[in-house]
Amino acid sequence: AQRVTQPEKLLSVFKGAPVELKCNYSYSGSPELFWYVQYSRQRLQLLLRHISRESIKGFTADLNKGETSFHLKKPFAQEEDSAMYYCAPPRQNFVFGPGTRLSVLP
Amino acid sequence: DAGITQSPRYKITETGRQVTLMCHQTWSHSYMFWYRQDLGHGLRLIYYSAAADITDKGEVPDGYVVSRSKTENFPLTLESATRSQTSVYFCASSETSYNSPLHFGNGTRLTVT
Repeated sequence: AQRVTQPEKLLSVFKGAPVELKCNYSYSGSPELFWYVQYSRQRLQLLLRHISRESIKGFTADLNKGETSFHLKKPFAQEEDSAMYYCAPPRQNFVFGPGTRLSVLP
Repeated sequence: DAGITQSPRYKITETGRQVTLMCHQTWSHSYMFWYRQDLGHGLRLIYYSAAADITDKGEVPDGYVVSRSKTENFPLTLESATRSQTSVYFCASSETSYNSPLHFGNGTRLTVT
């Protein structure tokens, strides 16, 4: 089945430490991949999309077709990065994974 | 984004009652979606619609009904609410194109007692 997986449900890091949120996909072709973020009790919002190759709030994500991955990275985590992060699903089925809750500890 | 609104923001209802959650978008996006969010399950797709009068089931459609008579509206109805339907419900929309992101509403927190 075409889908994305996020192997970590919870990730805790200390402030200032690097963070990597993993996302793997299992569908063929050239996927259009996104990361969404949800801060506490707020709506999901687009964080970044791979096609734009932007860096938003210090986060970057590189599409690795060989490893079929689209991991989200930030070199120095901040406490305000604590949130739920979702790697977006393939457009074929719109099914999200469970997401990863990032907790940045002081 | 102000372009997609959900109502009500909070709703408490009793088991067995019918309840409708509203979703309205102003962008004329073709696609609209309903997700529920529960602790430990992330987002689960209930129904989606590719255009007016076209709807399809998602992962967890049982107990829910949708309609899309107009492009801008996509109401979600719980025909006979159950406690397991206590959740936060998010509506989203996106353009037709393959590479367009989803835009989410603020969510409706529904409690079934």
